[in-house]
Amino acid sequence: SAVISQKPSRDICQRGTSLTIQCQVDSQVTMMFWYRQQPGQSLTLIATANQGSEATYESGFVIDKFPISRPNLTFSTLTVSNMSPEDSSIYLCSAERGVDYGYTFGSGTRLTVV
Amino acid sequence: DAKTTQPPSMDCAEGRAANLPCNHSTISGNEYVYWYRQIHSQGPQYIIHGLKNNETNEMASLIITEDRKSSTLILPHATLRDTAVYYCIVRVAGSNYQLIWGAGTKLIIKP
Repeated sequence: SAVISQKPSRDICQRGTSLTIQCQVDSQVTMMFWYRQQPGQSLTLIATANQGSEATYESGFVIDKFPISRPNLTFSTLTVSNMSPEDSSIYLCSAERGVDYGYTFGSGTRLTVV
Repeated sequence: DAKTTQPPSMDCAEGRAANLPCNHSTISGNEYVYWYRQIHSQGPQYIIHGLKNNETNEMASLIITEDRKSSTLILPHATLRDTAVYYCIVRVAGSNYQLIWGAGTKLIIKP
């Protein structure tokens, strides 16, 4: 099954700055997904990243704020831009292990904006 | 919106079977039932999935009612490490379909 390495695991950032989160999958996957999980809440999908095309964003999330790269079938980045304290959250990447199987997740990035 | 309903929390004694219910009364014929769990401060972990037959793997068993409107995840011998939030999700299999996460059930295993 696919394993995802996500980094950084946590960071404390100043407001107005940007942070790029990286996810590396140990096998080729078609789609990768980026989620946000606010404290005590469930997961909310930010966008779906397909290699070779622009990411598809969910309602409430825009490319200028959360630009995503997907340069190949094993790697993706999510940038949280011009951060504010409201962006403090856990960010997770995910990929499907295979048809008819579940998704695997990175260990998450705990972001605190001060 | 999530298509599943789960109790917000449950307790279970260590060593006993933990039975976690899920209602999915609007499930479509081509939608599978998936279960994940999230241990504190970790990414979600896949547990099991099924379409209409009962399923068992090394982690758990999944019992789906004949009308497919509800299911139960069974952890046969719960340990303290099974304390987590358990999510029941319905979706069509295949990588083009996203997961829609409900609030899940917080399962606390007590010694």
